[in-house]
Amino acid sequence: EAGVVQSPRYKIIEKKQPVAFWCNPISGHNTLYWYRQNLGQGPELLIRYENEEAVDDSQLPKDRFSAERLKGVDSTLKIQPAELGDSAVYLCASGVRVWDEQFFGPGTRLTVL
Amino acid sequence: AQTVTQSQPEMSVQEAETVTLSCTYDTSESDYYLFWYKQPPSRQMILVIRQEAYKQQNATENRFSVNFQKAAKSFSLKISDSQLGDAAMYFCAYRSASGGSNYKLTFGKGTLLTVNP
Repeated sequence: EAGVVQSPRYKIIEKKQPVAFWCNPISGHNTLYWYRQNLGQGPELLIRYENEEAVDDSQLPKDRFSAERLKGVDSTLKIQPAELGDSAVYLCASGVRVWDEQFFGPGTRLTVL
Repeated sequence: AQTVTQSQPEMSVQEAETVTLSCTYDTSESDYYLFWYKQPPSRQMILVIRQEAYKQQNATENRFSVNFQKAAKSFSLKISDSQLGDAAMYFCAYRSASGGSNYKLTFGKGTLLTVNP
């Protein structure tokens, strides 16, 4: 069974530039999560989807961050414009249902210069 | 809000020896789940072990076991017969069982485990 796929693995951009991350969850998983992991910290939830509906986006900085999950499968997380403080690892996870185990992808390491 | 504290930023152990990683948490809830995740340099978080708060028996998965002390709000991970492949960051995490936005995982800051040959 294929795991959670994320791309790109690494991204380096200049501040004020836009950036997008893509996540393909495990087939059949209805719940999808985006986490941000700052250096030396544990992951923090940005947004949770149940199918195509964002049911918890309270931690998503909505002035510059946006996310979508069209058709309830793949998801994209976008930052526009990026700031220096956005440098972090962005992790995607999925689960069958919200109370089930979360399976994580390898993450995207973003560096903003 | 729930908080998770890992007081050991780094730990080291000799191969084949036993090591214990500490975790404490703060919550007013009575029903919740606790987890230990492993994050190797590849960055992929891997679930090591899970404990339901309503279960008195400590969870065990092969060489990994926990010491869950609900009254003390303590949840330590014991790794027996440590192997070189156990070297990684270990995160303790909490998740409410009450639903809604409480389903999110709250992580500690992690403990970096080094295994010496």
